[in-house]
Amino acid sequence: NAGVTQTPKFRILKIGQSMTLQCTQDMNHNYMYWYRQDPGMGLKLIYYSVGAGITDKGEVPNGYNVSRSTTEDFPLRLELAAPSQTSVYFCASSYSGDRGELFFGSGTQLSVL
Amino acid sequence: AQSVAQPEDQVNVAEGNPLTVKCTYSVSGNPYLFWYVQYPNRGLQFLLKYITGDNLVKGSYGFEAEFNKSQTSFHLKKPSALVSDSALYFCAVREYNAGNMLTFGGGTRLMVKP
Repeated sequence: NAGVTQTPKFRILKIGQSMTLQCTQDMNHNYMYWYRQDPGMGLKLIYYSVGAGITDKGEVPNGYNVSRSTTEDFPLRLELAAPSQTSVYFCASSYSGDRGELFFGSGTQLSVL
Repeated sequence: AQSVAQPEDQVNVAEGNPLTVKCTYSVSGNPYLFWYVQYPNRGLQFLLKYITGDNLVKGSYGFEAEFNKSQTSFHLKKPSALVSDSALYFCAVREYNAGNMLTFGGGTRLMVKP
């Protein structure tokens, strides 16, 4: 099993550009999440999904969109990138919504200049 | 609302000595508690969790954590630290029956010196 795979690993965007961060998992997990990690701030939940076709907002959803057309894939879309979106983004999945531990991808380091 | 506090930004310990990384939480109901570790340029890795039952939870790499309901704490411990334990550690809490929101603390950097 590859686990949770994120692409790209690094990206530099100009203000106003858009991009999609890709995330795929091969563990047949129903639950998937997108977090952003800012220095000293821990992780903040952007969006999550409890299954294909179902998504919901987390703590910091503004400026982002997601979709979940399959169990395996959970892409994160940034529209009109802003410097405040400079961060490290992590995708994660879990087999259970409350008791299950999260399995994380290796992250995408995004800079918006 | 649920919250987690990790009061120490950094913990320094000598190799072979015991280590403790502190975590306190706040929930209105029963908590599910987790510890994760992050090595440089990597995603977080699960260490251990408390769901119910025995207050002392054992996890990966010799780590353990003690759930203390009266002090609302879930400190991470290891009897003998290794240099390879140096990493960033995150405590996280999810309230029972409160949905899928997992709240993370700000992280504690553990430095183990030879």
